[in-house]
Amino acid sequence: EDKVVQSPLSLVVHEGDTVTLNCSYEVTNFRSLLWYKQEKKAPTFLFMLTSSGIEKKSGRLSSILDKKELSSILNITATQTGDSAIYLCAVVPNSGGYQKVTFGTGTKLQVIP
Amino acid sequence: ETGVTQSPTHLIKTRGQQVTLRCSSQSGHNTVSWYQQALGQGPQFIFQYYREEENGRGNFPPRFSGLQFPNYSSELNVNALELDDSALYLCASSGLTENYGYTFGSGTRLTVV
Repeated sequence: EDKVVQSPLSLVVHEGDTVTLNCSYEVTNFRSLLWYKQEKKAPTFLFMLTSSGIEKKSGRLSSILDKKELSSILNITATQTGDSAIYLCAVVPNSGGYQKVTFGTGTKLQVIP
Repeated sequence: ETGVTQSPTHLIKTRGQQVTLRCSSQSGHNTVSWYQQALGQGPQFIFQYYREEENGRGNFPPRFSGLQFPNYSSELNVNALELDDSALYLCASSGLTENYGYTFGSGTRLTVV
């Protein structure tokens, strides 16, 4: 059974701080790791990571995958109140078309002014 | 703005009733997956449909069933509702491309009383 564990479960920071969110996984035949931001309902796609050591960057957000350690981190620099959300990590197995994506429980980030 | 549309947005049902939730996938996406997200949890995979066939199922009982139509829209049906079925139900569409990533709808909030 595939498994995703995220830490911390929740985090409160002040605007301007830098945060690092962690994701570790167990999956049979890894294909990719996904990060999503969920503010109210629909999770919105942030990154897809398939190769170890290659940083993906989008504005103040960046993420990197470590296949040896079976983990990924999501960094947010200069946090803003609009970054307050639940951040979900998910893994996709390489199972020939059947793509059961397994999600972690998420990290709830609160950014206070 | 998400290309995946779900209806209804909110729903209240009584224990024992049946419910149908609907999802219109993003243009060009032929795969639809359904997830259940209980409060404080990550989304849990229910099942996936590809070309009108069920293409994988998570750990949910048979009273959770689905359909996919020729236009790739989909329905999730739940019979004999239980209180624990109260959750946010998310639909995600995807295309089988190298740039894999789900597009989620805004979800249907189901409350069973």
